[in-house]
Formats: sequence, structure tokens, C-alpha cells
Amino acid sequence: QVQLVQSGAEMKKPGASVKVSCKASGDTFTGHLMHWVRQAPGQGLEWMGRINPNNGGTNFAQKFQGRVTLTRDTSSSTVYLEVNRLTSDDTAVYYCARDLGVSIFFWGQGTLVTVAS
Amino acid sequence: NFMLTQPHSVSDSPGKTVTISCTRSSGSIDSNYVQWFQQRPGSVPTTVIYEDNQRPSGVPDRFSGSIDSSSNSASLTISGLKTEDEADYYCQSYNGTNQIFGGGTKLTVL
Repeated sequence: QVQLVQSGAEMKKPGASVKVSCKASGDTFTGHLMHWVRQAPGQGLEWMGRINPNNGGTNFAQKFQGRVTLTRDTSSSTVYLEVNRLTSDDTAVYYCARDLGVSIFFWGQGTLVTVAS
Repeated sequence: NFMLTQPHSVSDSPGKTVTISCTRSSGSIDSNYVQWFQQRPGSVPTTVIYEDNQRPSGVPDRFSGSIDSSSNSASLTISGLKTEDEADYYCQSYNGTNQIFGGGTKLTVL
């Protein structure tokens, strides 16, 4: 049974960075792409990017290019999302999600990131 | 990139059948698989349909997905509505490396 367990809520000031983790279990870590999706309060789902845990290759939505970094640690089956230069518009729940074949299927529990001065 | 357009809201009574549409703005709807996610208030999204019309184990067969090339749209149909089906529903597809979500549809079960 695939499980994605994310790190806890974060509170950051504008201009700071945040790093969120997502630990996978229940299946081969390097066998599936991992995505990050965010949801601002009262808003819809927004895809940010993905990482191939096998080789570390990444792809991003154009909006997040240059401000978001995705990394992985194969020894602990964990992927990481880092967002730099935070603004209040980055206040959201951040989800990691794992592929099943060609698209998103399994979801982590979400991590609330609040950006406020 | 294309867009996926969903109605903002739909509603119906328990026991009825409701259909939520998801229209692709450019390119063929059948070029890439469509997924549907359910998000109950305050909860994590869960997959109710994947690869156009496949139902994950544990999802009732009241949920079904389809593709209509003539209208370039995907649909999620929920029959025998229950109050527990009240949620936001999102369609999703992809274009190369990009994953694209529809804006979401709020289903109210009256």
C-alpha cells in the first residue's frame, strides 16, 4: 500500500524559503514520478512540477521555473520541495503526489505553508 | 498548453444521476488520459477515475468516466447520488511533461 507522508506545517516571513519533505513507502521509490501540487485557500489545484526519483530529472510549470527546486534522497525514499522568495501568494497547502503509469494517482496528506509578516 | 474547463457548480438530489463535464480547449481529448479527483471539504484529494474510465479499487461503481471526441470533453457521471458525494471534483490531464487541472466543480447534494 503506497503511503506518502509529508512534513508538518510551516510559517514563514515574506522573502524567506521553505522546504517540504514527502516520504514514500509501500512501493519501489525509483519506479514512479513524484509531483507537487498546491492549493491556495478556497482555490483549485495547481501543478508545480515533478521529479524522477530514479535520476533526479525535473520538470516545472513555467510559473515556478527558477523559484522552485525539487530534490530526492533515494536512501530514505524522500522527495523535497523548496520554494524561494516566498510571498503571501504562496500561502497554500502543498501536496506531493505519485504517478500510477502516466499520471497522478496517490496523494500525500498535504503541508500547510503560511507566509505572513 | 491547453485548458480544461469545468462548470463551477452542479447540484441534484439524493438518488439522482449527475454528470460533470471537462472540456479541453485545444488538442484532442483522447490524446492524453483524463483523471478525476474528489476532494471533500477539509480533506485530501482522492482519485475516483484514472485513465479516462478506470475506477480504483474501493471506488463505488456509481462513479464512471467517459470521453466524447465530438465535444472534445471528458465526463464524470455519478449515479444514485449520496450525501457523502458532496465534494469538489477536479479533472486532470497532461501535455508532455505538464499536468493540467480543471478549475474544479462543486457538487451539492440537496
